[in-house]
Amino acid sequence: SQQGEEDPQALSIQEGENATMNCSYKTSINNLQWYRQNSGRGLVHLILIRSNEREKHSGRLRVTLDTSKKSSSLLITASRAADTASYFCARLEGRTSYGKLTFGQGTILTVHP
Amino acid sequence: GAVVSQHPSRVICKSGTSVKIECRSLDFQATTMFWYRQFPKKSLMLMATSNEGSKATYEQGVEKDKFLINHASLTLSTLTVTSAHPEDSSFYICSAVGGTGSYEQYFGPGTRLTVT
Repeated sequence: SQQGEEDPQALSIQEGENATMNCSYKTSINNLQWYRQNSGRGLVHLILIRSNEREKHSGRLRVTLDTSKKSSSLLITASRAADTASYFCARLEGRTSYGKLTFGQGTILTVHP
Repeated sequence: GAVVSQHPSRVICKSGTSVKIECRSLDFQATTMFWYRQFPKKSLMLMATSNEGSKATYEQGVEKDKFLINHASLTLSTLTVTSAHPEDSSFYICSAVGGTGSYEQYFGPGTRLTVT
């Protein structure tokens, strides 16, 4: 499959705990992006990390990228019930700045109040 | 932020009929639009890349005669599912990229197609 691998496929935690999702891929990338999708809705862009970056933060989100291992992780700290959603990584391959994205399988996160 | 709309949000049609889904960039000009398909609890699969004024580029395994894409203007792309069958039932999502050099794709809210 050309899609990246994400793990875990499903994650269930309590409010206040941290949630970590991982994404692996096989080809070289231009950048890697993380998206959130609430059930039956469109995607919300969370964060983008370029291939020459190793870590980025946005509020309670922290994304790391290890290009030598071809993997990325998304950490959500102090989770809330409203964080319940599916989370996808998507990689942009090639040199163009707006080529097609290849999505991972996704992680379904459930945060219990 | 940039807004992308899709219409309709939900559609139910009978087998054999055709359905058109519109994707509009509301506050920016989209040089490129993408069409994705998503099955329940699955990831997004890219169907085709649509560039304004030229033919769409389809991904391997996607029937271009089945899924007609027209990118008539810098703010509108349409996906027509022709002679729909129940297996075409799915969630169809479009995204748009502006010509500003931004990496970001802006996603529409999706269209739920049910073919009976």
